[in-house]
Amino acid sequence: NAGVTQTPKFQVLKTGQSMTLQCAQDMNHEYMSWYRQDPGMGLRLIHYSVGAGITDQGEVPNGYNVSRSTTEDFPLRLLSAAPSQTSVYFCASSYRLGGLPLHFGNGTRLTVT
Amino acid sequence: AQTVTQSQPEMSVQEAETVTLSCTYDTSESDYYLFWYKQPPSRQMILVIRQEAYKQQNATENRFSVNFQKAAKSFSLKISDSQLGDAAMYFCAYRDSGGSNYKLTFGKGTLLTVNP
Repeated sequence: NAGVTQTPKFQVLKTGQSMTLQCAQDMNHEYMSWYRQDPGMGLRLIHYSVGAGITDQGEVPNGYNVSRSTTEDFPLRLLSAAPSQTSVYFCASSYRLGGLPLHFGNGTRLTVT
Repeated sequence: AQTVTQSQPEMSVQEAETVTLSCTYDTSESDYYLFWYKQPPSRQMILVIRQEAYKQQNATENRFSVNFQKAAKSFSLKISDSQLGDAAMYFCAYRDSGGSNYKLTFGKGTLLTVNP
């Protein structure tokens, strides 16, 4: 099993550019989410999904867009990159809501100049 | 809103010794879940241990154990017989069983150094 796969691992963008971070899981997990990790801040939830066709906002959703057309994929779109979006992004999934631990991808380090 | 506090930004331990990382949380819920995640320099987030709040017994996983004090809202992680591979950032995380179950709330992390 590949688990949770994120691409790319590293990305540099210029201010105003757009891009999509890809996330795919092969565990048939209903729940998928995106977190960002900033120094001294821990991880914060951007968006999440509890199933195909269902998405909702987390704590820090501004500037990001998501969709969930299939169970496996949950891409994160940056509409117009800003330096404040420089961060490490993690995709995470679990079989369902509840007390199950999250399975994390290996992260994408994004730098916006 | 739930908050998670890790009061030790950095800790160090000698190889083979024991270290305890602190975590406190604030919640009005009675049923919830607590986790410790390890993040080595590779950036990967690895689950270390999980505790269900309704269980009195402290969770253990090999050299890792927790001291869960529900009344005090404390969830410390003890690492016994520390190894060089334990060096990492450790995050405490909370997930409630109610309306906010969709998210994990993380502390800011404790950077653990293991000295040979």
